[in-house]
Amino acid sequence: EPEVTQTPSHQVTQMGQEVILRCVPISNHLYFYWYRQILGQKVEFLVSFYNNEISEKSEIFDDQFSVERPDGSNFTLKIRSTKLEDSAMYFCASSAFGLSNEKLFFGSGTQLSVL
Amino acid sequence: DQQVKQNSPSLSVQEGRISILNCDYTNSMFDYFLWYKKYPAEGPTFLISISSIKDKNEDGRFTVFLNKSAKHLSLHIVPSQPGDSAVYFCAASGETGGTSYGKLTFGQGTILTVHP
Repeated sequence: EPEVTQTPSHQVTQMGQEVILRCVPISNHLYFYWYRQILGQKVEFLVSFYNNEISEKSEIFDDQFSVERPDGSNFTLKIRSTKLEDSAMYFCASSAFGLSNEKLFFGSGTQLSVL
Repeated sequence: DQQVKQNSPSLSVQEGRISILNCDYTNSMFDYFLWYKKYPAEGPTFLISISSIKDKNEDGRFTVFLNKSAKHLSLHIVPSQPGDSAVYFCAASGETGGTSYGKLTFGQGTILTVHP
């Protein structure tokens, strides 16, 4: 089965530094997403992306966050100036059509640790 | 945000028996519900889903039941196998009434342990 791949699996950074988390969605999917899970908490929606634009974003996704599809295969999440509370597992996901009754395919996640 | 709740943090069952995982939601705009399974160091994997126009959906050993009036859904696994041991997440979409743009609202998860 095709899968979403994420790199790196672990990222350690100092507070205030910029990080870029990378994802390769399933090749024929058109909609891309980032979710995160802080340890002990729920998986939370961050942002959805279609046709090189953000479709929807949560209140978590503030000006420190940005997403980009720099080429035909990668999808990235950038955190400009990391804070301690950004430490979490970040999941990339994709879907074919972005419909409300459609399943999302998730990657294995990037564990971000901000020190 | 308590729109989707899984009140049981953990469940332990014997191999071969039924596992029942429960989920409650508060937002009546949700119209599509999914169960995901998650193993350690992996991302959530889709298991089964149900639309709000149905009350039951079955796929092999997995059945999801939806009670719209009670805003409750449950996942039944019969028979349970040790390989089913994982964290199970309930998720819901559709609160924007149409195109949800992939925004799923997740429950906290239930850790299922199936003993041989």
